[in-house]
Amino acid sequence: NAGVTQTPKFRVLKTGQSMTLLCAQDMNHEYMYWYRQDPGMGLRLIHYSVGEGTTAKGEVPDGYNVSRLKKQNFLLGLESAAPSQTSVYFCASSHDLAGADTQYFGPGTRLTVL
Amino acid sequence: QQPVQSPQAVILREGEDAVINCSSSKALYSVHWYRQKHGEAPVFLMILLKGGEQKGHDKISASFNEKKQQSSLYLTASQLSYSGTYFCGTEINTGNQFYFGTGTSLTVIP
Repeated sequence: NAGVTQTPKFRVLKTGQSMTLLCAQDMNHEYMYWYRQDPGMGLRLIHYSVGEGTTAKGEVPDGYNVSRLKKQNFLLGLESAAPSQTSVYFCASSHDLAGADTQYFGPGTRLTVL
Repeated sequence: QQPVQSPQAVILREGEDAVINCSSSKALYSVHWYRQKHGEAPVFLMILLKGGEQKGHDKISASFNEKKQQSSLYLTASQLSYSGTYFCGTEINTGNQFYFGTGTSLTVIP
């Protein structure tokens, strides 16, 4: 089992460019999450999904879009990157709701927007 | 909504004990604890699902005081491998309102 994987591991963008981060899990989990981690801010939830074809906004959704076309994949898109989106992005998945179950995290994607 | 952790950072010598606190201004339905080593992903430690619950494995344990809306993580006889940043995650009400704290950096030195 690979668990939760993220692609790419590192990326540098120029302001205004777009990109998609891919998260994949092989644990057949229903719930998937995208977080961003900034120094001193902990992990903040961007968007989440409670099942294939569903998405919902988290704490800091502005500037991001997501899609969950397949149960095992959760994509995070930045349509027009801004320097404020420089961060480390973590994907996570869980069998049950976030509050009631363990979240398994991917290795992270370090994104720099110049 | 984000829970507050204290202290923000702590340095211990091997064998010493530490307590990390997590407090919320909202009623809590569950509390999670995760540890993250530098450059790595957070790793689950334990989850407490009801007030009064205490859990532990090895020399790391936690308690959940529902009435005070807080949880504490106890690390006893610390080892070098305990170094990292500890995050609490809290579920506010039911559903998917889940928030992580800002983290506590723990460094264990020989």
